[in-house]
Amino acid sequence: NAGVTQTPKFQVLKTGQSMTLQCAQDMNHEYMSWYRQDPGMGLRLIHYSVGAGITDQGEVPNGYNVSRSTTEDFPLRLLSAAPSQTSVYFCASSSGLLDTQYFGPGTRLTVL
Amino acid sequence: GQQVMQIPQYQHVQEGEDFTTYCNSSTTLSNIQWYKQRPGGHPVFLIQLVKSGEVKKQKRLTFQFGEAKKNSSLHITATQTTDVGTYFCAGPDPQGAGNMLTFGGGTRLMVKP
Repeated sequence: NAGVTQTPKFQVLKTGQSMTLQCAQDMNHEYMSWYRQDPGMGLRLIHYSVGAGITDQGEVPNGYNVSRSTTEDFPLRLLSAAPSQTSVYFCASSSGLLDTQYFGPGTRLTVL
Repeated sequence: GQQVMQIPQYQHVQEGEDFTTYCNSSTTLSNIQWYKQRPGGHPVFLIQLVKSGEVKKQKRLTFQFGEAKKNSSLHITATQTTDVGTYFCAGPDPQGAGNMLTFGGGTRLMVKP
């Protein structure tokens, strides 16, 4: 099993550009989440999904959209990138809401 | 909503010294999880504590859950260079987003050989 995969590993955007961060898992987990990690601020929840077709906002959802058309995939869309979105983004999946989170390798995003 | 605070934010130790990081919650937690993130890597699950006063050990790592279930600690005995990384605690936020996990800010451990 590949676990949780994320693409791309690195990305540089200009302010105002849009892009999609990809996340996929092959563990048949119902729950998937997106976090951003900034120095000294731990992991903050952006959006999460409790199953295909169901998504909800986390702590810091502004500027991001998600969708969950399949159990496996949970893409994160940046609508109009801003320098404040420079961060490392982690996707995670779990079998239950409060169960062990399995993290992907992360995407390091820089917005100029 | 719940706040999960970790102290210290950074810790430098000499190899062989002990290390402890503390996690405190503003609300009672049903359980707490600990994760380790190596430099440049992603968080990896270490352990989950559920019971009040619970103590669990993994080799040189000792995890404790407070009696009131509002705090937890991770203690590493005789640190090694392989212990380098950031240690996070995480607990469910009953008033937050869908009762999902809330992560502490992490404690970054640096070990001098």
